[in-house]
Amino acid sequence: RKEVEQDPGPFNVPEGATVAFNCTYSNSASQSFFWYRQDCRKEPKLLMSVYSSGNEDGRFTAQLNRASQYISLLIRDSKLSDSATYLCVVRRASKIIFGSGTRLSIRP
Amino acid sequence: NAGVTQTPKFQVLKTGQSMTLQCAQDMNHNSMYWYRQDPGMGLRLIYYSASEGTTDKGEVPNGYNVSRLNKREFSLRLESAAPSQTSVYFCASIPDRASPDTQYFGPGTRLTVL
Repeated sequence: RKEVEQDPGPFNVPEGATVAFNCTYSNSASQSFFWYRQDCRKEPKLLMSVYSSGNEDGRFTAQLNRASQYISLLIRDSKLSDSATYLCVVRRASKIIFGSGTRLSIRP
Repeated sequence: NAGVTQTPKFQVLKTGQSMTLQCAQDMNHNSMYWYRQDPGMGLRLIYYSASEGTTDKGEVPNGYNVSRLNKREFSLRLESAAPSQTSVYFCASIPDRASPDTQYFGPGTRLTVL
């Protein structure tokens, strides 16, 4: 079983829609959690960190459920520019593991 | 301040050839990482180095060796390249073990093994 698992998608949604991604991790000792965004053939870039209390950055909301070992990302009022692959990332000490990513495509 | 740099950007090898991918960061970061990304897949951790002089295996270390000779540089070596190692290789670094901050990524090395 992979340490970090995501639904690969693709998600194909209209502009303005709300879309949610989920991610599960298997190691309960994991300490920090992140969502990254990756555009085609480019390096990943940090979208946001994920905290137990939940956190919001504009149209993006991230949630962490440690009991269920589950992380989520919600994108509201999606834009064409949100089309990308979204990577769930888990850190345990110095080890950082990426999920395989969820592809999102926003259509006009 | 160049961030994380990787060389080369592109490389084509024949099966059995060897090569070293170079990575350097000028941000005084402690931890450095090598990932590979296959088409349509996420990043898989090959090796990482929590500090100068230490290295640890990640998810897919077989067929690779690494060297962290100083704080700036972390190299990845393929001793005998195989077609299964065709991939994009990303190097990354983070400031220190206690920091939850972002990883800084290099632009990637696109490797094809024929």
